[in-house]
Amino acid sequence: DSGVTQTPKHLITATGQRVTLRCSPRSGDLSVYWYQQSLDQGLQFLIQYYNGEERAKGNILERFSAQQFPDLHSELNLSSLELGDSALYFCASSMAGVNTEAFFGQGTRLTVV
Amino acid sequence: AQKITQTQPGMFVQEKEAVTLDCTYDTSDQSYGLFWYKQPSSGEMIFLIYQGSYDEQNATEGRYSLNFQKARKSANLVISASQLGDSAMYFCAMSPSGGSYIPTFGRGTSLIVHP
Repeated sequence: DSGVTQTPKHLITATGQRVTLRCSPRSGDLSVYWYQQSLDQGLQFLIQYYNGEERAKGNILERFSAQQFPDLHSELNLSSLELGDSALYFCASSMAGVNTEAFFGQGTRLTVV
Repeated sequence: AQKITQTQPGMFVQEKEAVTLDCTYDTSDQSYGLFWYKQPSSGEMIFLIYQGSYDEQNATEGRYSLNFQKARKSANLVISASQLGDSAMYFCAMSPSGGSYIPTFGRGTSLIVHP
């Protein structure tokens, strides 16, 4: 158990819909990363939050947004969903200001039909 | 920009034998971290081992060791005494020290352990 909790584990939704993925980082970790894993693109970095503030953006679509709350949990919002958004979405967390490993949640498998 | 290259899409190994998974990286940073993760068929990403760029000794964690050759920019994972449960995807990653520490991942290597 990595200590990072993601909910839900599985999500099936229709095109055009909006979903919210939730992540609780490990206790004490201030940095949260979101990744998308698809078969053709591998693990793509989407966005990072650090202590409530957006820190870095990667290949995140404008239809996607995220936030980190005062209790440090984070949510990734995906809207106007398309078939190509079907993927495994990971949240990871790490200690602040130290180059150590990031610990991953179990992922949310999103299927858009 | 950083880049991780894993040239072996698939590897096969006999149970109880050792196997090396290749990883090369490209970065202009002087200080960085290198990581390996395992992703079994169930999907979770499991951290295996970490190597700092200034660490003089190669990292080891149980049956896992990281063969770090800084001049060649390689960070190969060695799994000794392979077990059936080692069958999984393996990802090499690196992150710079300083800034946002965002890990960049390679495309992964699929390892199958035969009995």
